[in-house]
Amino acid sequence: AQRVTQPEKLLSVFKGAPVELKCNYSYSGSPELFWYVQYSRQRLQLLLRHISRESIKGFTADLNKGETSFHLKKPFAQEEDSAMYYCALSAINYGQNFVFGPGTRLSVLP
Amino acid sequence: ETGVTQSPTHLIKTRGQQVTLRCSSQSGHNTVSWYQQALGQGPQFIFQYYREEENGRGNFPPRFSGLQFPNYSSELNVNALELDDSALYLCASSLVEGNEQFFGPGTRLTVL
Repeated sequence: AQRVTQPEKLLSVFKGAPVELKCNYSYSGSPELFWYVQYSRQRLQLLLRHISRESIKGFTADLNKGETSFHLKKPFAQEEDSAMYYCALSAINYGQNFVFGPGTRLSVLP
Repeated sequence: ETGVTQSPTHLIKTRGQQVTLRCSSQSGHNTVSWYQQALGQGPQFIFQYYREEENGRGNFPPRFSGLQFPNYSSELNVNALELDDSALYLCASSLVEGNEQFFGPGTRLTVL
């Protein structure tokens, strides 16, 4: 079965420090991986997807098929990055759409 | 271009009752997905509708059912409500399956 794990429920870093939010997945096909973010009192929104290979708000994520990981990284965290982050996998071939991880709350301290 | 809207914002029901939640997809989107998000967890896929047909379903019992209308708006119906059905229900629309999903604000359902 398709599964997404995010080992950290809460991650606290100081402003200007590097941040890495971990995501691992299990999927036997070719996955499409996403990171979604939810800022306080806002709706869930797409941050980035692996196929576009973009850097959004300074965040990047590389799909590592060997380690089945899709970790989200930013070299210098900002206070406005504080939010809930969800890793998600698109598993269309199995008749199921998105599989979300449980989420990691990032808190950037001043 | 209007975003995804959901109604009602929140509601309270009792065990055994039935509930209907509504979603209007973003303009131009033909695919709607529904998710259940329990407190402290990530969204869990319930099902997806594409051109008025169910196009995939997660591990939810048949008492969770849905509809999509010709204008691509959608309903989620839950029969015989249970306490564990208390959650935030999210609707998301996209142009095609697997593409970027745009989420609504959610409906908070409380079952007493």
